[in-house]
Amino acid sequence: EIVMTQSPATLSVSPGERATLSCRASQSVNSNLAWYQQKPGQAPRLLIYGASTRATGIPARFSGSGSGTEFTLTVSSLQSEDFAVYFCQQYNNWPVWTFGQGTKVEIK
Amino acid sequence: EEQLVESGGGLVQPGGSLRLSCAASGFTFSTYSMNWVRQAPGKGLEWVSYISSSTSTIYYADSVKGRFTISRDNAENSLYLQMNSLRAEDTAVYYCARVRCSGGSCYSPFDYWGQGTLVTVSS
Repeated sequence: EIVMTQSPATLSVSPGERATLSCRASQSVNSNLAWYQQKPGQAPRLLIYGASTRATGIPARFSGSGSGTEFTLTVSSLQSEDFAVYFCQQYNNWPVWTFGQGTKVEIK
Repeated sequence: EEQLVESGGGLVQPGGSLRLSCAASGFTFSTYSMNWVRQAPGKGLEWVSYISSSTSTIYYADSVKGRFTISRDNAENSLYLQMNSLRAEDTAVYYCARVRCSGGSCYSPFDYWGQGTLVTVSS
């Protein structure tokens, strides 16, 4: 099983600032990496797939980068609606899809 | 608009059974593979089970193999998860999630998710 490790566990950021989240895979997942946003009581929402492609309707302030084992999600200027938990997921090793433990982005 | 709505969660005693349902709308359900994913309280996401669009291919996580059964009814646009021999560690919010597959391969993320249904296993 591919283990996905996210850091940090919690990120405190002021509105308007940049947030950088990391995700590391225990072995290469090529570019088969997705990022999701989850707000309390809501379903996860797909933000990024293919490591860097924004899903439909996702604002341009969200960007993804990386390949192999190291990945980054960047939110260029945090808006109030962006404070949430973010998960990465690898789908290179399907049908055993695995997720990171999540990074909570909170208001500083 | 694509929508997935789970139901069937609740409180069940250890060793008991529960059947979850997921109603799909807004897309051609019969052409998509589907999954169940769970999230224990305060924890991350764990993939549980997969079923192909035609039901010909099914996979389970090791943690639920032999206890859970995934199924679907394409005529009713519904996905199911029969959970038997439930344990305390099965306590979680269970989500259904759609995945795009092509040519028998599913190198894809889960593009739509339901809101989830809570399963609590406790005496």
